[in-house]
Amino acid sequence: KQEVTQIPAALSVPEGENLVLNCSFTDSAIYNLQWFRQDPGKGLTSLLLIQSSQREQTSGRLNASLDKSSGRSTLYIAASQPGDSATYLCAVMDSNYQLIWGAGTKLIIKP
Amino acid sequence: SAVISQKPSRDICQRGTSLTIQCQVDSQVTMMFWYRQQPGQSLTLIATANQGSEATYESGFVIDKFPISRPNLTFSTLTVSNMSPEDSSIYLCSALAGLSYEQYFGPGTRLTVT
Repeated sequence: KQEVTQIPAALSVPEGENLVLNCSFTDSAIYNLQWFRQDPGKGLTSLLLIQSSQREQTSGRLNASLDKSSGRSTLYIAASQPGDSATYLCAVMDSNYQLIWGAGTKLIIKP
Repeated sequence: SAVISQKPSRDICQRGTSLTIQCQVDSQVTMMFWYRQQPGQSLTLIATANQGSEATYESGFVIDKFPISRPNLTFSTLTVSNMSPEDSSIYLCSALAGLSYEQYFGPGTRLTVT
């Protein structure tokens, strides 16, 4: 059974720092991996999607990597800003096109 | 991409009543899902909404409690029946779109049951 783990559960850093959020999964047979952002009381915004055949994806200050063989993905945020404060969720898609979710990393960027 | 809207955005309901949540996608999609997110928790999949057939429910969720309709490729409804305070959650609709099977989410419906 696929399990997804996100570390750390919470992170607080000063504005301007570069940071890395980690996601690990137990079964490498995934269709893709997505990183989402969720603001308090709101829905989810898709940040990056990495297909199982890809190694990384970039969007602006965000870079996500995927190492399927080791069951790991990282989300790198460059030059963090207070507006980046949110919960970041990692999810892997299985062969039934269902997403298996991590518990999320709550990120606080201090001005 | 896909843009998903949900109605209502929030509601406060009395115990024992039912609420139907609507989900509209701006393009035809093959798969739609309904999730629940309880306070401070990650998302839990309730069911996959199948067009033209009965929804596929995950363990712990039953049709009598969460009836789902999907009359076409852009619309679905979730009803939360005979509500209790334990049903207080955010309910999220999502859809798979595009060749990359990226999943998009609606803004959610915040339900409070008193």
